[in-house]
Amino acid sequence: AQSVAQPEDQVNVAEGNPLTVKCTYSVSGNPYLFWYVQYPNRGLQFLLKYITGDNLVKGSYGFEAEFNKSQTSFHLKKPSALVSDSALYFCAVREKGGGADGLTFGKGTHLIIQP
Amino acid sequence: GAGVSQSPRYKVAKRGQDVALRCDPISGHVSLFWYQQALGQGPEFLTYFQNEAQLDKSGLPSDRFFAERPEGSVSTLKIQRTQQEDSAVYLCASSLVPVRDTTNSPLHFGNGTRLTVT
Repeated sequence: AQSVAQPEDQVNVAEGNPLTVKCTYSVSGNPYLFWYVQYPNRGLQFLLKYITGDNLVKGSYGFEAEFNKSQTSFHLKKPSALVSDSALYFCAVREKGGGADGLTFGKGTHLIIQP
Repeated sequence: GAGVSQSPRYKVAKRGQDVALRCDPISGHVSLFWYQQALGQGPEFLTYFQNEAQLDKSGLPSDRFFAERPEGSVSTLKIQRTQQEDSAVYLCASSLVPVRDTTNSPLHFGNGTRLTVT
């Protein structure tokens, strides 16, 4: 079975400060990991993915995430937050070679950037 | 349009009614997924199509849920005899390659259909 935990329902950051949105995962083998963002009344938009290779992955809008196998984490980061980054962020996992075709998503973290 | 299109945008059904939700994926996309997103939760996988073949329906919550993609493009999710617990946003997503392709082509999501069962 595969699962994702996003321990924070909400993260508040002042504009211009660095931000981190936490994600930990559980799979039997090796993971494919993803971050998606959702704006109100919209579908999810892809931000970045970890497939293999470098543990630091860079994605859209200046976001990056670091894969840490020993801690089974894939935290989302950005060096300097913008008010427009305020949205709902989802971490997702799928096991490499596993039986699941669908991604397993976390419950989501509301990111609020204060001017 | 370049994106995934879902209709209707909102649907209100009385308990016991049947509903049909439509998804137009991005042209040429092989993979199509349906997800259910309850209020305050992340999306939960319902079913997966590779072209017209439904390869995985393990997430469908009951036999009242049925999905089809007969020509490998447009898909319909049908819910029979709707119940209040079916109230959720139903998201459709498509991607260019089969799901088991190791490139893991990103999912492109539609804006969803918000179903409210009264």
